[in-house]
Amino acid sequence: QVQLQESGPGLVKPSDTLSLTCAVSGYSISSTYWWGWIRQPPGKGLEWIGYIYYSGNTYYNPSLKSRVTMSVDTSKNQFSLQLRSVTAVDTAVYYCARKRDGYNPFDIWGQGTMVTVSS
Amino acid sequence: VMTQSPTFLSVTPGEKVTITCQASEGIGNYLYWYQQKPDQAPKVLIKYASQSISGVPSRFSGSGSGTDFTFSISSVGAEDAATYYCQQGSKHPLTFGGGTKVEIK
Repeated sequence: QVQLQESGPGLVKPSDTLSLTCAVSGYSISSTYWWGWIRQPPGKGLEWIGYIYYSGNTYYNPSLKSRVTMSVDTSKNQFSLQLRSVTAVDTAVYYCARKRDGYNPFDIWGQGTMVTVSS
Repeated sequence: VMTQSPTFLSVTPGEKVTITCQASEGIGNYLYWYQQKPDQAPKVLIKYASQSISGVPSRFSGSGSGTDFTFSISSVGAEDAATYYCQQGSKHPLTFGGGTKVEIK
């Protein structure tokens, strides 16, 4: 079955760059799906960060666009998130998820990874 | 902006649960409902406002179009304790409602 697994540092210093990778298994990333990132601060709701297509096309949330870069590595069947100049407000559980092209929900999610921004 | 209400519900087993989600502008039927249990990722329950997802129990249902949407659990059970979110998929940025936490007494 399709599985997504996030990986990356659990602790990032303020002003540094948060870097996460989502490994996809059981399905080719080179398909008609967008591969996205959603985050959830402790005790709060969900915020869409953005997503990327295997071709490299991206959509980002305008609220984060100036600090976000997403990339895809089709040879490794994985995609990545970089969030620059982090502060404490970026502390959250970060989920990767899959969404079929077109008007569709996120149908498969990773388990999430907690990232804390602190010195 | 997606405005979801109420933010909290405390219900007894067997009761019906109703949650509403209002969009600040029309989104057609591109409205999805998710269930998130503690320490788990969200799981999609309803797509296109009212279409069930394969494998999801029939007690979960949705309705609405345009700006006003409703999500219901016909007869809530202990296993339905969770936070429920709506999400609009009509336009970027994709946005979620603030969530409704359902507590089972």
